[in-house]
Formats: sequence, structure tokens, C-alpha cells
Amino acid sequence: DTGVSQNPRHKITKRGQNVTFRCDPISEHNRLYWYRQTLGQGPEFLTYFQNEAQLEKSRLLSDRFSAERPKGSFSTLEIQRTEQGDSAMYLCASSNRDRGLGEQYFGPGTRLTVT
Amino acid sequence: SQKIEQNSEALNIQEGKTATLTCNYTNYSPAYLQWYRQDPGRGPVFLLLIRENEKEKRKERLKVTFDTTLKQSLFHITASQPADSATYLCALEAPWRDDKIIFGKGTRLHILP
Repeated sequence: DTGVSQNPRHKITKRGQNVTFRCDPISEHNRLYWYRQTLGQGPEFLTYFQNEAQLEKSRLLSDRFSAERPKGSFSTLEIQRTEQGDSAMYLCASSNRDRGLGEQYFGPGTRLTVT
Repeated sequence: SQKIEQNSEALNIQEGKTATLTCNYTNYSPAYLQWYRQDPGRGPVFLLLIRENEKEKRKERLKVTFDTTLKQSLFHITASQPADSATYLCALEAPWRDDKIIFGKGTRLHILP
């Protein structure tokens, strides 16, 4: 299966700690998106990459969040000095903008719990 | 700012009937409107995309309509099956906007056997 993968699937951390999540997109996809989803809500856009360039970052994203996509392949999302409000499911998606006009393929998500 | 409204309450439909889900938006018309399915604890799965200049799109038992005058999309599942039970998310994409893609909260659909 060559779908989008995310690691870890679950992360429990104490408030104030830093966490990093990884996303491996579908190999031929040039776009990669990060979303956050809380219970009963739809995914909330955080940021996206076209190849290795980070093209957009949500105004809702605080300075504690940073994302990278070195070499245009996998991506990492780091949250520094975690807060309880950061507890959520973090979803990664990829797409090939040359085909599909924004059709996104999502990974299984990383569930973060900040205690 | 753009707001998306989907039925906040769960929708119960008898097996074999057509399920119809609604997505209303409040502001600008998006370039594309997408529908996704999400099962508990899993990421959304893409179902259908419709452009602003298209009225209707079909895929197997699924049909999506898009009415920019009413600012509404309808999502239909015909001959519904218990396996269709899930949360269905509507997403609006407007590439020229800062908020490039906005998802609704989703509607939980239960198909009763």
C-alpha cells in the first residue's frame, strides 16, 4: 500500500514539552498539507507545501508550530512548548495538483494528548 | 469570513433509501467543492469534487449537486447500505484566498438495517 503514512499514531506528552510528527506522502504527489482536527469538528487547515516550499501558513498557527519538508519528500510538524489546547488529531494529506484539482489523500493521523 | 453549515445532528436513514446531506456556505462561492467520508479514528477519504461551473457530478451510487445561487451543495447516496454509515465532510476550496480550504463539521449518517 503506498498511501499517506504518519508517525507516531499516538503521542502523549506533558505540557511544555516539544513534539515532532512525521508524514510520508504518496511518492508522486507534489503537495502536502497539515491539518488539525478536534472532536466534532472538521479538519482545520494549518499549512501546505508545494514540493519543498512552504506556500501558506494559517493565521491561526502560532509561532510554536513549525513545519518542514526537506527535499520535497516527507514532512515534519513540530510543536514547541506544548499546551493542553494543542491536544487534537493532526492530519497530513497529499495531492498532485497536476491531476485531481485538489483531491487530497489523507493519512491516518497522529493523536496528540497533552497532559 | 466564510462559514460552512452541515446538518449538526445525525441523520438516520433506512437501508435501501436515498440519503441526502446538505452543505450550505455563507460567503463567496468557492472554485471547488469537495465531499469526504470519515470513519471514527481515521483520516478523511476523498469522494467527489465539483467545480463552481458544474451543476452535478456522479460516481456510482453517489451524486453531488452545486447551486451557487443558493450557496448550497447536496450529497446523495442512493440505495444506501449500513456500510455507508460514517461522517461526511464538505470542504470548500478557494485558491485565491488565505483560507484556501475550509471543512465543515460534518454530518453523521447512520444507515439502519
